[in-house]
Amino acid sequence: GESVGLHLPTLSVQEGDNSIINCAYSNSASDYFIWYKQESGKGPQFIIDIRSNMDKRQGQRVTVLLNKTVKHLSLQIAATQPGDSAVYFCAESSTGNQFYFGTGTSLTVIP
Amino acid sequence: GAGVSQSPSNKVTEKGKDVELRCDPISGHTALYWYRQSLGQGLEFLIYFQGNSAPDKSGLPSDRFSAERTGGSVSTLTIQRTQQEDSAVYLCASSLSGARAQFFGNEQFFGPGTRLTVL
Repeated sequence: GESVGLHLPTLSVQEGDNSIINCAYSNSASDYFIWYKQESGKGPQFIIDIRSNMDKRQGQRVTVLLNKTVKHLSLQIAATQPGDSAVYFCAESSTGNQFYFGTGTSLTVIP
Repeated sequence: GAGVSQSPSNKVTEKGKDVELRCDPISGHTALYWYRQSLGQGLEFLIYFQGNSAPDKSGLPSDRFSAERTGGSVSTLTIQRTQQEDSAVYLCASSLSGARAQFFGNEQFFGPGTRLTVL
């Protein structure tokens, strides 16, 4: 079955530092991955996605790295800001319409 | 333009009652998803609608759960004979096209959710 998990449930970083949030998946057939940010009381918000034919993809202050060999995904946030404090989810998909979400990592940015 | 909206924002009901949760997707979005999020958990896929195709109901946890999408727009998730374990936040999302992205940027836009509490 599908399994998407996060290495750390909570992460605290100093404002201005870089943040790295990790995610492991178990389905080797997964070929599409998404990172979401969820602030308290709101629905998840898309951050960045990546396909399995890529190892890295960059957005604005964010980078997603995919290591298919060890089935690991990470989200890097550069120059973390207080507004980045939220729960971050990774989601993966292989076939069909389902996306499988991890339980989330709570990121707290310390001013 | 408006994003995905859901109503009600909060719903408290008694065990055994039926509830209806509404989702208004972004206009023009052909794909619509329902998810359930329990406290401190990730999102659990429930059902997916794509255009006029038959919905993917594979995530519905029991036959007490059903959903409709009328006219390819508004969707209603119905839970019959609610149980306490149904208490969760129910999230709706829409995207411009299908679940399997044909190109980058075809992300799902989520509504704020409906918090359901079954007493």
